[in-house]
Amino acid sequence: KAGVTQTPRYLIKTRGQQVTLSCSPISGHRSVSWYQQTPGQGLQFLFEYFSETQRNKGNFPGRFSGRQFSNSRSEMNVSTLELGDSALYLCASSPTGGPPYNSPLHFGNGTRLTVT
Amino acid sequence: EDQVTQSPEALRLQEGESSSLNCSYTVSGLRGLFWYRQDPGKGPEFLFTLYSAGEEKEKERLKATLTKKESFLHITAPKPEDSATYLCAVQPNDYKLSFGAGTTVTVRA
Repeated sequence: KAGVTQTPRYLIKTRGQQVTLSCSPISGHRSVSWYQQTPGQGLQFLFEYFSETQRNKGNFPGRFSGRQFSNSRSEMNVSTLELGDSALYLCASSPTGGPPYNSPLHFGNGTRLTVT
Repeated sequence: EDQVTQSPEALRLQEGESSSLNCSYTVSGLRGLFWYRQDPGKGPEFLFTLYSAGEEKEKERLKATLTKKESFLHITAPKPEDSATYLCAVQPNDYKLSFGAGTTVTVRA
């Protein structure tokens, strides 16, 4: 079974630009979550989608947004990039995610975003 | 606010030298506690889920335990391939997973 696939693996952008990251979950998984990982803050929850609906959201500004398509694939977008947005962005999928089950997350290898 | 604290930050072990990693937490209702392993340049890999105090899970040289305030990950007779960063995460009532900063384990041959 193929794992979670994230594209691209690396991305370099300039301040003020916007970026779109893509995630293909494990086949059959309907929940997709996004996380930001930085050396200072660790892994922080961005948002979770289930059946094309945002089901949960972390404490990030509105510049961070996402969506999920009918085939469960997901994209996240960051607009007006700031230097502090440089991070590893991780996507994770699970069969159901939140209630009523606590399924473990299966992570992709991330997209390394560098903002200059 | 939910908090997850892992200690120590880093651990250097000799091959075969057993040790324990700690994850202490304060959370509004614990739905589950997860342990992950992360290798450099890769995403976290799921190890265990613990749901209630007293629960234990084992996998090869790893054993995870849970109390009402903390979890331990015991590494028995580690090998160099056990070198990684180990992450603890708690899932509270709102299902927003909170991760600790991790413990980086280095096992020397």
